[in-house]
Amino acid sequence: GAVVSQHPSWVICKSGTSVKIECRSLDFQATTMFWYRQFPKQSLMLMATSNEGSKATYEQGVEKDKFLINHASLTLSTLTVTSAHPEDSSFYICSARGIGTDLSSYNSPLHFGNGTRLTVT
Amino acid sequence: GENVEQHPSTLSVQEGDSAVIKCTYSDSASNYFPWYKQELGKGPQLIIDIRSNVGEKKDQRIAVTLNKTAKHFSLHITETQPEDSAVYFCAAAVPYQKVTFGTGTKLQVIP
Repeated sequence: GAVVSQHPSWVICKSGTSVKIECRSLDFQATTMFWYRQFPKQSLMLMATSNEGSKATYEQGVEKDKFLINHASLTLSTLTVTSAHPEDSSFYICSARGIGTDLSSYNSPLHFGNGTRLTVT
Repeated sequence: GENVEQHPSTLSVQEGDSAVIKCTYSDSASNYFPWYKQELGKGPQLIIDIRSNVGEKKDQRIAVTLNKTAKHFSLHITETQPEDSAVYFCAAAVPYQKVTFGTGTKLQVIP
């Protein structure tokens, strides 16, 4: 259980174009989804938190107009990298926290997708 | 905010030996400590977690210990196998705040 599917697994795009990455919770409803960016041999850097039906909360230093997040349903969140540039090339990973996975604590387990390798040429 | 330190950054062990990865956290309000395994080119996978009301938790060859007083928690892998080779991340979470990850440990199990 608790499977998160992320698509595409890799994408190559030209500078100036936009790319959309999808994150789906397959067997549970995700009230909250998180988007991370990971540079080679580094830890996960939280970019933003998205809650179903409301605006995403972005971490300091992350441009909300460049990284558009939509969480329109309890099973789908999307990250759109707008006007991508080579410096946006990275590994993007989403994670989801389900409803009621741990009613005793807000900090229920995060389940991660398999990531999207974005290369901007 | 919470700060999580993780050591060592790399660890090589012979197959069959044990591996220990240690983390410290700064915020005494943290009450949830998950561990993730990340294989090359994939997303992190939750392998075990522990809450602050428990001192130790075990799942087959994997165990985690928590010392709330010292703000330390550790991952123990016994009888290591080549397929245990990966990057391991510890994390700490304060209620109603984001999960903070450690810097990762690259574990290599030598056959």
